[in-house]
Amino acid sequence: AQSVTQLGSHVSVSEGALVLLRCNYSSSVPPYLFWYVQYPNQGLQLLLKYTTGATLVKGINGFEAEFKKSETSFHLTKPSAHMSDAAEYFCAVSDRSGNTGKLIFGQGTTLQVKP
Amino acid sequence: SQTIHQWPATLVQPVGSPLSLECTVEGTSNPNLYWYRQAAGRGLQLLFYSVGIGQISSEVPQNLSASRPQDRQFILSSKKLLLSDSGFYLCAWGQTNSPLHFGNGTRLTVT
Repeated sequence: AQSVTQLGSHVSVSEGALVLLRCNYSSSVPPYLFWYVQYPNQGLQLLLKYTTGATLVKGINGFEAEFKKSETSFHLTKPSAHMSDAAEYFCAVSDRSGNTGKLIFGQGTTLQVKP
Repeated sequence: SQTIHQWPATLVQPVGSPLSLECTVEGTSNPNLYWYRQAAGRGLQLLFYSVGIGQISSEVPQNLSASRPQDRQFILSSKKLLLSDSGFYLCAWGQTNSPLHFGNGTRLTVT
């Protein structure tokens, strides 16, 4: 069975600083991995995804993530934080045990950006 | 392009009252459909998913039920709401091994 662990429920950075949100996964098959962002009282918006191929994945809003199989990690980074990046971020892995398309989500990390 | 509609956006209901939340998808056929619930500080919990009309799978035992009367319509229901049913409910659609696309959610408060 697949699972996702996001390290740190709250992360605080200064505007302009590096953003690093950590995600580790467990999967018995090659994983499909996703990062989503959620603004208050809204649905989830896809930031980026990894399925196969290049392990460094670029997404929207300047975010990127690197799939590291040896570390079972898929950390999300952004070189320079912007105030508008303050939101909740979810890492997810696709449940590939059947053709259900289910995503299994981590508990989420709230990103605070200080001026 | 595909769109997903979810309503209502907010709902306040008394304990013991019924519930019906509706979700529809446009611009795609035979999508997988999902209901997730998000409680404060607890991430997203998958409640139900459906891979076709009339096919509903429940992930956790609970006071809720789901139905899919049409290909692109997914309904979340309850006959009698509990306080613990309060939360943020998200509908999503997707295809196997693809990202999910979420609606804007319904904030349900049971009083």
